[in-house]
Amino acid sequence: AQSVTQPDIHITVSEGASLELRCNYSYGATPYLFWYVQSPGQGLQLLLKYFSGDTLVQGIKGFEAEFKRSQSSFNLRKPSVHWSDAAEYFCAVGADKTGGSYIPTFGRGTSLIVHP
Amino acid sequence: ETGVTQTPRHLVMGMTNKKSLKCEQHLGHNAMYWYKQSAKKPLELMFVYSLEERVENNSVPSRFSPECPNSSHLFLHLHTLQPEDSALYLCASSQDASGGASSYNEQFFGPGTRLTVL
Repeated sequence: AQSVTQPDIHITVSEGASLELRCNYSYGATPYLFWYVQSPGQGLQLLLKYFSGDTLVQGIKGFEAEFKRSQSSFNLRKPSVHWSDAAEYFCAVGADKTGGSYIPTFGRGTSLIVHP
Repeated sequence: ETGVTQTPRHLVMGMTNKKSLKCEQHLGHNAMYWYKQSAKKPLELMFVYSLEERVENNSVPSRFSPECPNSSHLFLHLHTLQPEDSALYLCASSQDASGGASSYNEQFFGPGTRLTVL
């Protein structure tokens, strides 16, 4: 079975500072990996995904994530945070197949707080 | 309307009421999902419909009853709920592979229905 851990419940950064949100997964092989963002009152939006190939993945809104097999990690980064980035961030791993596709398992989420 | 829509956005109901949540996707997808999102808990997959057939229900209590009349619409019928069922219920859709091919396709989420059970 697959699982994903987001060790930080809350992260507080100042606007303009760099950001790194941690994600660790558990799975025997290389899974599909995702980062989603959820703004207040909204559903989840996909930021980026990793399937194979280049381990540094670029996403929307200036985010990137790096897959490190040796550490079973897929951390999300952004060089300069904007106040509008304040939201809940979810890491997900998709490796267990249901029907025709891989249904993701989500982490508990990390709440990002941005100070002006 | 575009993307995935959900109605109502907010719902308050008593434990003896019967209500339904509605989800509609305008993306031409062939798979739809119900998730439950409780505070400080991981997102819980409740039901999966692929090509209008239910393929996953994850041992959800029978007081939750899904219905998928066509590939664009998904309902969640609620009856005799408990206060612990209060949560944000999210609907999602994706274009899944058929015929046994394996793939991952991005899920598109609706804004959710905030349910409060009194």
